[in-house]
Amino acid sequence: AQRVTQPEKLLSVFKGAPVELKCNYSYSGSPELFWYVQYSRQRLQLLLRHISRESIKGFTADLNKGETSFHLKKPFAQEEDSAMYYCALTPGSSYKLIFGSGTRLLVRP
Amino acid sequence: EAGVTQFPSHSVIEKGQTVTLRCDPISGHDNLYWYRRVMGKEIKFLLHFVKESKQDESGMPNNRFLAERTGGTYSTLKVQPAELEDSGVYFCASSQGLKETQYFGPGTRLLVL
Repeated sequence: AQRVTQPEKLLSVFKGAPVELKCNYSYSGSPELFWYVQYSRQRLQLLLRHISRESIKGFTADLNKGETSFHLKKPFAQEEDSAMYYCALTPGSSYKLIFGSGTRLLVRP
Repeated sequence: EAGVTQFPSHSVIEKGQTVTLRCDPISGHDNLYWYRRVMGKEIKFLLHFVKESKQDESGMPNNRFLAERTGGTYSTLKVQPAELEDSGVYFCASSQGLKETQYFGPGTRLLVL
């Protein structure tokens, strides 16, 4: 079964601290992995996708096929990073997004 | 450029009534998706249109849900009759190509009493 797991519902860190939001997936094929973010009172938007290998707003994520993980990392968290973060995948056979339950990141001053 | 729009932003109806949600994708986007998040659970896929055709409707929960996209522009999602468990936030997204970024609308918050 295709599934995305985000084990943390809430992650609270202080400004300047490193952040790692965990994401594990189960899929037998070669999925495409994404991180979406929803800031307060804004719509869901794409943060990054693994095929782009980009760093957006200081965030990076590396696909680890051996561990079936796609953790999101940032070395120094900022208060404006506070938001809801969703990990998602699209299976090779479809274009639908399969979402994890989300992790709320709270960056405290 | 206008983003994906959804109407209404909120809807409160009684069990057994009918509700129709509308989504206007970004102009030129052939792909339109419906998702929903119910009872604080994961955001779940409902269906995918390519132009006016249903490409994938594997996520539609039952036959009380009917989605249309006549003319390949805006889409409607009708729930008839609504049940309590249909309460949640319904999201629409659109993309230009099949593997392109999906852009989300603000969602419609549905409450069935």
